[in-house]
Amino acid sequence: DTEVTQTPKHLVMGMTNKKSLKCEQHMGHRAMYWYKQKAKKPPELMFVYSYEKLSINESVPSRFSPECPNSSLLNLHLHALQPEDSALYLCASSQGGRAYGYTFGSGTRLTVV
Amino acid sequence: GEDVEQSLFLSVREGDSSVINCTYTDSSSTYLYWYKQEPGAGLQLLTYIFSNMDMKQDQRLTVLLNKKDKHLSLRIADTQTGDSAIYFCAETPNTGKLIFGQGTTLQVKP
Repeated sequence: DTEVTQTPKHLVMGMTNKKSLKCEQHMGHRAMYWYKQKAKKPPELMFVYSYEKLSINESVPSRFSPECPNSSLLNLHLHALQPEDSALYLCASSQGGRAYGYTFGSGTRLTVV
Repeated sequence: GEDVEQSLFLSVREGDSSVINCTYTDSSSTYLYWYKQEPGAGLQLLTYIFSNMDMKQDQRLTVLLNKKDKHLSLRIADTQTGDSAIYFCAETPNTGKLIFGQGTTLQVKP
């Protein structure tokens, strides 16, 4: 299995809703990432988990809450989002070394109404 | 500092070669990558090059690295309509973070 699987593919939520994005990989990668991507822009790093511990938080607002239940799973809990949070949310994983790059999932297209 | 720059748009005819250029600033970067993103999809790692290499070839893809000028290029031979996508150059300096360029939109005309 050489994929990163993200669910759901599309999500529409109201500003008072609570929802979660899920990411799964079975490649034995020890680092997992959340990125946010706006249209026609490069991905922006949000969070990094290394060996199931949060190692980088790029000053992301607290309405985004990451969770890494085990080495294969990564969640992003969403609460009280704003319309400007609408974007493609990408999950990625890597072996931790720089030689192999990151493997990205197909993303969750989030729309906040 | 960490900065990666790319031209925003390139248009070529089917069958021609495409050359996408990238410059980076962090000399500590030891690996440089090219990612492809098709509409509505995630990022696909196309290829990477280690900083002690000048060139890497993989089928229709050729990566050239000029470490002195911190310039990276991706050549796609015999460009096809299926190559239409956004191409991101990326580096990993010692911070370990993946730093992306702005992306080059490649348009392939039949």
